[in-house]
Amino acid sequence: SAVISQKPSRDICQRGTSLTIQCQVDSQVTMMFWYRQQPGQSLTLIATANQGSEATYESGFVIDKFPISRPNLTFSTLTVSNMSPEDSSIYLCSVASLYTEAFFGQGTRLTVV
Amino acid sequence: DAKTTQPPSMDCAEGRAANLPCNHSTISGNEYVYWYRQIHSQGPQYIIHGLKNNETNEMASLIITEDRKSSTLILPHATLRDTAVYYCIVPSGTYKYIFGTGTRLKVLA
Repeated sequence: SAVISQKPSRDICQRGTSLTIQCQVDSQVTMMFWYRQQPGQSLTLIATANQGSEATYESGFVIDKFPISRPNLTFSTLTVSNMSPEDSSIYLCSVASLYTEAFFGQGTRLTVV
Repeated sequence: DAKTTQPPSMDCAEGRAANLPCNHSTISGNEYVYWYRQIHSQGPQYIIHGLKNNETNEMASLIITEDRKSSTLILPHATLRDTAVYYCIVPSGTYKYIFGTGTRLKVLA
């Protein structure tokens, strides 16, 4: 299994600012993903973080709003830019490798005021 | 869109078996079915997965129909700590997990 560390675990931010969330895995993994979970809702996939290249975004999500980096096989960041109260959600990192199930971090609970 | 459909909620008496159904009628021959649960907005926790044979581990059993169009997750002796949202997932593409709405299981004392 993979152990995932997400930082920060929670934050309260002012609208118009940006927050960068970090995801660190204790072993090399093939795939890394970022999800958003709005209050009372299921998880929605934001993007696939690709090592050394631009992330692959799902419909409805754009790089300008959610820039993602993945400099190596164990680390990725998600930035939530120019935040508004509608961005208040839990953001989760997920990892998977060949022939294994996906593992999820404990999430970053973001509140935008 | 998610490839699975689940009932939105279920109740189960403590100590009894909880049977959670899932429909995945468009599943392809080489696609697995995964089950996860999420407790109190923590990160989803892996439970079990299967291809076509029934599977059992220390947490649960997974029964997949012969035509693979549906499956049932069985928690043999539900406890209060099993109260959670349970997600049935058929990953699309390369390990992309698209979550449906899941089943909110409430275990009653």
